Amino acid sequence: EPEVTQTPSHQVTQMGQEVILRCVPISNHLYFYWYRQILGQKVEFLVSFYNNEISEKSEIFDDQFSVERPDGSNFTLKIRSTKLEDSAMYFCASSEREQYFGPGTRLTVT
Amino acid sequence: SQQGEEDPQALSIQEGENATMNCSYKTSINNLQWYRQNSGRGLVHLILIRSNEREKHSGRLRVTLDTSKKSSSLLITASRAADTASYFCAPVVIGGGSNYKLTFGKGTLLTVNP
Repeated sequence: EPEVTQTPSHQVTQMGQEVILRCVPISNHLYFYWYRQILGQKVEFLVSFYNNEISEKSEIFDDQFSVERPDGSNFTLKIRSTKLEDSAMYFCASSEREQYFGPGTRLTVT
Repeated sequence: SQQGEEDPQALSIQEGENATMNCSYKTSINNLQWYRQNSGRGLVHLILIRSNEREKHSGRLRVTLDTSKKSSSLLITASRAADTASYFCAPVVIGGGSNYKLTFGKGTLLTVNP
């Protein structure tokens, strides 16, 4: 069964560094999403992406965040200058109708 | 989209028993989806029920939707220890396109004791 994959599974970075989280959505899906979950808290929507542009973004998704679909298969989330409060699980999802989630990348900012 | 409110917040049962979780929401929806999350893992899509459907089954799962009461329920029959997880409902309102954001509540933490 097709699935969404994410790499790396765990990323440790220092405050102020740039990180890129990678996702490979399900191949025939057209809609892509990023969510995050701070430890012990709810899963929060960050951004949705369709037809090579952002469809909707939350107030969390400020100028430090960007998304890109650099080729036909990958979907990336970049955080330009990480802060301690960016430490969280980041989930990618893709959809045709239902959203299917990847296993997540645990980002730890020290 | 809007956030669903799951009830109860926590549920503990014995293996083999049935588990029922409820969800309430506030405005009209296009569909409602249920997800499961094992601790520290990704969300797994369980079932989608459209606004014009009243009941849907998938294996040991049964979902009902009452749009007049703006509520849904998820029943897991013959529960197993592996069903231990948090369960979330996500009421969906779709705008112009087919993409939509999911807004998750605190979920119901189900513990199935062996």
